[in-house]
Amino acid sequence: DIQMTQSPASLSASLGETVTIECRASEDIYSNLAWYQQKPGNSPQLLIYDANSLADGVPSRFSGSGSGTQYSLKINSLQSEDVASYFCQQYNNYPPTFGAGTKLELK
Amino acid sequence: QVQLKESGPGLVQPSETLSLTCTVSGFSLTSYSVSWVRQPSGKGPEWMGRMWYDGDTAYNSALKSRLSISRDTSKNQVFLKMNSLQTDDTGTYYCTRGPNWFAYWGQGTLVTVSS
Repeated sequence: DIQMTQSPASLSASLGETVTIECRASEDIYSNLAWYQQKPGNSPQLLIYDANSLADGVPSRFSGSGSGTQYSLKINSLQSEDVASYFCQQYNNYPPTFGAGTKLELK
Repeated sequence: QVQLKESGPGLVQPSETLSLTCTVSGFSLTSYSVSWVRQPSGKGPEWMGRMWYDGDTAYNSALKSRLSISRDTSKNQVFLKMNSLQTDDTGTYYCTRGPNWFAYWGQGTLVTVSS
């Protein structure tokens, strides 16, 4: 199975700041990567697919980039509603696998 | 609109079988695949298996010996059965739609394995 390693595990940032979360795959996943946001008590919500395509209804302050084994999620101008956990997921190989998550808090 | 909803028992005894139902609306099970994903508290999600739109199934090899996924298209339902449950099977179980990425999720159902 492809291992997905996220960093950092937790992150504290101020309102208005730009935040970057990294995800590394154990092998090349050819941009077959999605990012999700999960608020406490809620289901994961799709943010990004195909590494850099914004899902419907997702604010443009979210963006994804990367290739090969290295990917990142960037949040520009952090808002209070962005406090959540974020997960990456690869779908290049079976089974689809997720990262362990990054917990984003306000400073 | 697209909706998925999980249902089933919240508490299962160790070594027993878990049975969950995912009831969908807003789309046809013969046009879209539905996956089961579980998530232990505070950890990342784990993909368990999928019911394809054509009725075929795919399973995570780590769970394949214990897991069965089926469906009833007339009732718009997908079923999960997993046997020999242990305490580390405790978590929230979701059904979700999507070919590769998962754009639609149910609310999840918490399953606790305990005597």
